[in-house]
Amino acid sequence: EAGVTQFPSHSVIEKGQTVTLRCDPISGHDNLYWYRRVMGKEIKFLLHFVKESKQDESGMPNNRFLAERTGGTYSTLKVQPAELEDSGVYFCASSQDRYGRAYNEQFFGPGTRLTVL
Amino acid sequence: AQSVTQLDSHVSVSEGTPVLLRCNYSSSYSPSLFWYVQHPNKGLQLLLKYTSAATLVKGINGFEAEFKKSETSFHLTKPSAHMSDAAEYFCVLDSGGYQKVTFGTGTKLQVIP
Repeated sequence: EAGVTQFPSHSVIEKGQTVTLRCDPISGHDNLYWYRRVMGKEIKFLLHFVKESKQDESGMPNNRFLAERTGGTYSTLKVQPAELEDSGVYFCASSQDRYGRAYNEQFFGPGTRLTVL
Repeated sequence: AQSVTQLDSHVSVSEGTPVLLRCNYSSSYSPSLFWYVQHPNKGLQLLLKYTSAATLVKGINGFEAEFKKSETSFHLTKPSAHMSDAAEYFCVLDSGGYQKVTFGTGTKLQVIP
């Protein structure tokens, strides 16, 4: 069974540009999460999808970030326009639990390292 | 409010010696606690989890952790370190309900040959 995949693995862009990160969860997982780790800091929750619906987007930093999950399969996270402080590693995770409870194990992707110059 | 504190950002051990990675938590509810490991260029992998069953939890690769409510701790241990254990380890707290999970800042484990 394929794990959670993320694309690209690395992205280097200039301030003001747009970047779109993609996450493909494990097939059949209803729950999809985005997290971010800024250098030296803890991993922080961004948002949670249940199928195609946003269950919780309270962790999204500002309106420059837009996440979508059309059809309830893969998800994209777009940053437009990117700022220097957006640099970090963006992780995606998926889980099968229909209640979205973390105790049912979230499976993580390898992350996308975003560098904004 | 919930929080997780990983007391050491870096731990260095010799191969074959015991590993101790410390984690303390704060939660208003009965928590679920996890340890994840991340090897370079890989995703986070679940090592073990505590979900209010046995307080001593055994995980993969010989790791185990003990939930101590009185000390609000969930330290990760392994009797004998292997070179392949070198990685970053994250303690994660889930307080249940609609609370988001909370990550510790991570501990980088170095294993010296």
